[in-house]
Amino acid sequence: LAKTTQPISMDSYEGQEVNITCSHNNIATNDYITWYQQFPSQGPRFIIQGYKTKVTNEVASLFIPADRKSSTLSLPRVSLSDTAVYYCLVGDFMNTGFQKLVFGTGTRLLVSP
Amino acid sequence: DAMVIQNPRYQVTQFGKPVTLSCSQTLNHNVMYWYQQKSSQAPKLLFHYYDKDFNNEADTPDNFQSRRPNTSFCFLDIRSPGLGDAAMYLCATSREDSKNIQYFGAGTRLSVL
Repeated sequence: LAKTTQPISMDSYEGQEVNITCSHNNIATNDYITWYQQFPSQGPRFIIQGYKTKVTNEVASLFIPADRKSSTLSLPRVSLSDTAVYYCLVGDFMNTGFQKLVFGTGTRLLVSP
Repeated sequence: DAMVIQNPRYQVTQFGKPVTLSCSQTLNHNVMYWYQQKSSQAPKLLFHYYDKDFNNEADTPDNFQSRRPNTSFCFLDIRSPGLGDAAMYLCATSREDSKNIQYFGAGTRLSVL
């Protein structure tokens, strides 16, 4: 499993764009990058996944450079309700064998008015 | 239209008194997971089912057992809860071909008195 490193915490204000970068230097060829969001007293929620370049959905964008050794989750125009812990996970999840999700410490995002 | 339902949301038990937590899903996913999440920590996988095939994590204590009588239901049994077992217990499901996209329940918060 590729080890991931994220900032422990980030602060932002409503309406700003937030970029959370995750480092995964030993990512393997078949590994995918997955991000989850967790609100207090709730289970994590899948946000986005990607393999390379850029992926965008209704919630966020995921930017992955060519070397794939890092990735950046971009949240456009955050609101107070985006205050949560964001986890970056990397693994070969598409093969027929089992690859568990290993949650790291995550990044605690605090959005203020 | 909750997809992964955990009952109860809060459970209080006494030290050493067996307790069972339940999880049901409407997604018809063949993989189900149980995680333990202690305060301010990341979720940690206890075990998972691939259909009826039970897979225990190496460091999951014997005190934790699980049952999956059918596709929809999965139970976590804690035979003799200790004070250190107080935590949030999260159930999740996924398809076998996209194990990184897991759907989590809201969790059961277990208190041990």
